Amino acid sequence: DQQVKQNSPSLSVQEGRISILNCDYTNSMFDYFLWYKKYPAEGPTFLISISSIKDKNEDGRFTVFLNKSAKHLSLHIVPSQPGDSAVYFCAASVGNDYKLSFGAGTTVTVRA
Amino acid sequence: KAGVTQTPRYLIKTRGQQVTLSCSPISGHRSVSWYQQTPGQGLQFLFEYFSETQRNKGNFPGRFSGRQFSNSRSEMNVSTLELGDSALYLCASSLLDPETQYFGPGTRLLVL
Repeated sequence: DQQVKQNSPSLSVQEGRISILNCDYTNSMFDYFLWYKKYPAEGPTFLISISSIKDKNEDGRFTVFLNKSAKHLSLHIVPSQPGDSAVYFCAASVGNDYKLSFGAGTTVTVRA
Repeated sequence: KAGVTQTPRYLIKTRGQQVTLSCSPISGHRSVSWYQQTPGQGLQFLFEYFSETQRNKGNFPGRFSGRQFSNSRSEMNVSTLELGDSALYLCASSLLDPETQYFGPGTRLLVL
């Protein structure tokens, strides 16, 4: 049973516009959330994280929002750039543990 | 600094066989985690090793096993292969916590 779900398998956005990626989770024990980015033929790379004591975390063009009551988080990329075209995975854990539960990923394509 | 390396990169086996995958972490990293990635399922956590001890384990059958050596290199073994074991197997090493987890490029296993 998948505890982390990314219901949009793909997203296409124009360069310069905002990309919004969504992620839902079912396990209320999750208190640490991460986003990873993956290019073809490479392993995922860590992008940004948020703990449950916050509802927002920002790092440059990337912002993650957490809505604990809705068990929902989202990643905003502003402005989107061609190099952002990749697969984005949402992940969650209990207590910043290595046992991460991942979503199935969202493929983002940034159009010029 | 060299990244996480995984060998072999590609592997074809037949049902019933066993396979061993290898992962060399970044120098100085003592934590090594393994994940299975299949289409539509995202990454699923297999296990995590730290200083030769398994610290975390995912929900995989006993056919999946691993070990870590004193130099932090890790191996993963799958016995009695099934068609459903066809996947990309990713290894990640870490110094401190999941945010500092670096993934290797993966080993793509095809079971015929």
